[in-house]
Amino acid sequence: EVQLVESGGGLVQPGRSLRLSCAASGFSFDDFAMHWVRQAPGKGLEWVSGISWNSGDIGYADSVKGRFIISRDNANNSLYLQMNSLRVEDTALYFCVKDARVAASLGAGWFDPWGQGTLVTVSS
Amino acid sequence: QSVLTQPPSVSGPPGQTVTMSCSGSRSNIGTNYVSWYQQLPPAAPRLLMFRNNQRPSGVPDRFSGSKSGTSASLAITGLRPEDEAVYFCAAWSDSLDGSWVFGGGTKLTVL
Repeated sequence: EVQLVESGGGLVQPGRSLRLSCAASGFSFDDFAMHWVRQAPGKGLEWVSGISWNSGDIGYADSVKGRFIISRDNANNSLYLQMNSLRVEDTALYFCVKDARVAASLGAGWFDPWGQGTLVTVSS
Repeated sequence: QSVLTQPPSVSGPPGQTVTMSCSGSRSNIGTNYVSWYQQLPPAAPRLLMFRNNQRPSGVPDRFSGSKSGTSASLAITGLRPEDEAVYFCAAWSDSLDGSWVFGGGTKLTVL
């Protein structure tokens, strides 16, 4: 069974940094692209960032470009999101999501499955 | 403001058929596949449809998807109370560097 377990969320002041982690199991992690998708309280879904299976293709939403850095460690089946210069509008539940297609580029697959999310609250 | 446009809500009685739309542009839906996700808060979203009209195993055939031009639709026949949820559409956008875009979500109420 595929499992995606996020961690690292919490309360942080504007301008500070936070690093999210996602521990993956139940599949060949290094075969699949991975994504971070967030959901602000009571709002819809927003793609934050994605990384291909070999880290050769990386993408970011305009809203986080230059502030967030996605990375992965295939040896340890882990996905990360380094979030810098955090803003109040970054407050959201952050989901770790597996791409459904093997060795696909960032836009060629679909999202399946999703982790349960880790909550990031940016507030002074 | 979401890039893909979905109606905020739809409703219907048990047994009825409902359809919800997802409108985009040539750079997203017009060029790429659409996928659909069901979310029953507070749970995480789950995949409902991929490649416009393909159902993952475990999704009943009461759910169907379609795409025409720059719009997509999700239809649910034989509505059941457990279908009450929020439904999101998504597509890859070829604009600029490329990104995934979502609709704002449609809340389905089973009356």
